[in-house]
Amino acid sequence: GQNIDQPTEMTATEGAIVQINCTYQTSGFNGLFWYQQHAGEAPTFLSYNVLDGLEEKGRFSSFLSRSKGYSYLLLKELQMKDSASYLCAVRDPRGGSYIPTFGRGTSLIVHP
Amino acid sequence: DTGVSQNPRHKITKRGQNVTFRCDPISEHNRLYWYRQTLGQGPEFLTYFQNEAQLEKSRLLSDRFSAERPKGSFSTLEIQRTEQGDSAMYLCASSPGTAEAFFGQGTRLTVV
Repeated sequence: GQNIDQPTEMTATEGAIVQINCTYQTSGFNGLFWYQQHAGEAPTFLSYNVLDGLEEKGRFSSFLSRSKGYSYLLLKELQMKDSASYLCAVRDPRGGSYIPTFGRGTSLIVHP
Repeated sequence: DTGVSQNPRHKITKRGQNVTFRCDPISEHNRLYWYRQTLGQGPEFLTYFQNEAQLEKSRLLSDRFSAERPKGSFSTLEIQRTEQGDSAMYLCASSPGTAEAFFGQGTRLTVV
């Protein structure tokens, strides 16, 4: 089975740093994705981790620990436009299908 | 625009009617996924195609739902005898092999 857990909502101040956590329990693992989704829009890809460690991409970084079933997305120098839902998705190889399973998402509110 | 395209963007239908949605994936993406998303939730997996073969279907996909991907290009998702509980955003995504999935803008279905 698949179980992916993220906080429902977080708030932060413009210019600050925020860390969004994701824990997972899945029958198999072949990578973890983070997506950003603004209200009424499609999810857009942010990052991908398949090995342990930190991946940095501009203001966004993502970390993975496979032994702990844990990932986080770190957003630096927050901007108002970063207010969105952040989705953690785990890919399970399951017979070669490699289907991403999503958590419920974390709604981030950035205020001035 | 070379992204994933979904039509229509919005659909309002009466309970009991049939509806069909179309997804045009990014050219040469062999993998295509259908997800359903309701407010405040992450995308829930419905079904997956590799080229023209439908390789996996979620238990969420009742016998009122059917999907096709003739010739491994565009895909259609049909819902027969719609119910109010079918109201949701239906998202299509495609990927080239095991890389990240790219999402379309979705079709928002409202059953009245």
